[in-house]
Order: sequence, then structure tokens, then C-alpha cells
Amino acid sequence: QVTLRESGPALVKPTETLTLTCTFSGFSLTTSGMCVSWIRQPPGKALEWLALIDWDDDKYYGASLKTRLTISKDTSKNQVVLTMTNMDPVDTATYYCARTGAYGSGELPFDYWGQGALVTVSS
Amino acid sequence: QSALTQPASVSGSPGQSITISCTGTSSDVGIYNLVSWYQQHPGKVPRLMIYEVIKRPSGVSNRFSGSKSGNTASLTISGLQAEDEADYYCCSYAGISTWVFGGGTKLTVL
Repeated sequence: QVTLRESGPALVKPTETLTLTCTFSGFSLTTSGMCVSWIRQPPGKALEWLALIDWDDDKYYGASLKTRLTISKDTSKNQVVLTMTNMDPVDTATYYCARTGAYGSGELPFDYWGQGALVTVSS
Repeated sequence: QSALTQPASVSGSPGQSITISCTGTSSDVGIYNLVSWYQQHPGKVPRLMIYEVIKRPSGVSNRFSGSKSGNTASLTISGLQAEDEADYYCCSYAGISTWVFGGGTKLTVL
């Protein structure tokens, strides 16, 4: 059974750095073709893909937030960590982690999601 | 990486069919057969409904179908049911392990 769960602070102040952890089970990020992405959704707004890390530890970011994001993994703990610097109120959103397959892997895209972590940016 | 374009809202009566469009560019929808669709009920997690343009994951009703022509993908829901009322998002692979979502479409079942 595949599960993912996001954890991190519910409230951060403007200019602070956000660190979110995705703890997963039921699959391995050492399996060829396996990836984990972070996706966010501001209240009442659309999904936005943020970042992806693959089984080979390659990292990819959305163009608009690339300079503020860092994604990493700890395979021994089955965790993926996202950090976002210089937080602003417009970054208030529910942050999801989701499993996906690499291009050409045959794995399904974003087939399992965590429940999401609502992060509010306010002073 | 601009968001894919979807209509803000669509509606239909029970039993009818509706189609939601998703327009991208020749750098995403147009070049990759890796368009997927997600259903999201209020306060819930998105659920994968269609992948690789036309494929349905196990457990998804065959009332849901996908297609693509050029830079535009479409999701069709036939035999509309009240439980289909939700937000729907398209997503496309955009190259070099990056992805882009659409702006979302709110489906209302009248």
C-alpha cells in the first residue's frame, strides 16, 4: 500500500525559509523510474507543480520558483524534503507531495498523493 | 512553463456528456502524449482519472475518456452523475522531467 504524508510548520513568517518533509511508504525511491514531486495549491486556486526528484537523485524545478526551491531525499528514511526560501504571503497554500514516474518509465503520473499540508505565511 | 488553459467552468445535466478542453503549446501538450487529468472534490486530494491522454487507471469509470488533437487535450465525461461535480485539472509533461498543470475547471451537475 502506497502512502505519502507531508509534515512541516503550519505558519511561517514572511522572509523565512519553509522546510517540508514528505514521508512515504509502499515504494522505494531507489527503484529505477520512480520519482516524487511537490505540488502546491493556494486556497481556491489551481495546482502548481514545483519540483521533482528522481531515483538517481536528479532534481528538477518549475521555472517560476526555481531560485527559491531545493529538493532532496533521504532514501534510508523514505523521505523527500522541500525547502523554499524567502516566503511571502502569496506562498500561502496547501503543499502536496505525490509519487510519479519518470518519462518513459511506464509508471503513472501523480498516482498517489499525500493529504497535503496547509502553510500560511503571515507575520 | 505557462499553465495550461482550461475553461473556468462547465456544466451539464445528469445523463448528459460534457467535454473539458486543455490547451497547451507545442512544447508540452502538442509534443508529448503524457497528458493526465485529475478530479478534485472540495477539501479532498486530487485523484488521477486519465493518463497518457487516453488511459484509465484501475478503478476509474469508463464514463471518463480522454483525447488529444494538436496542442489541445480533452476530457469527456459521459452519463453525468451528481458525484462527478468537482474541479478537474489537466497536466502535461513539459520536457526535462518538468510538468505543468492547467488552471482547473469547475464542473457543475445541474
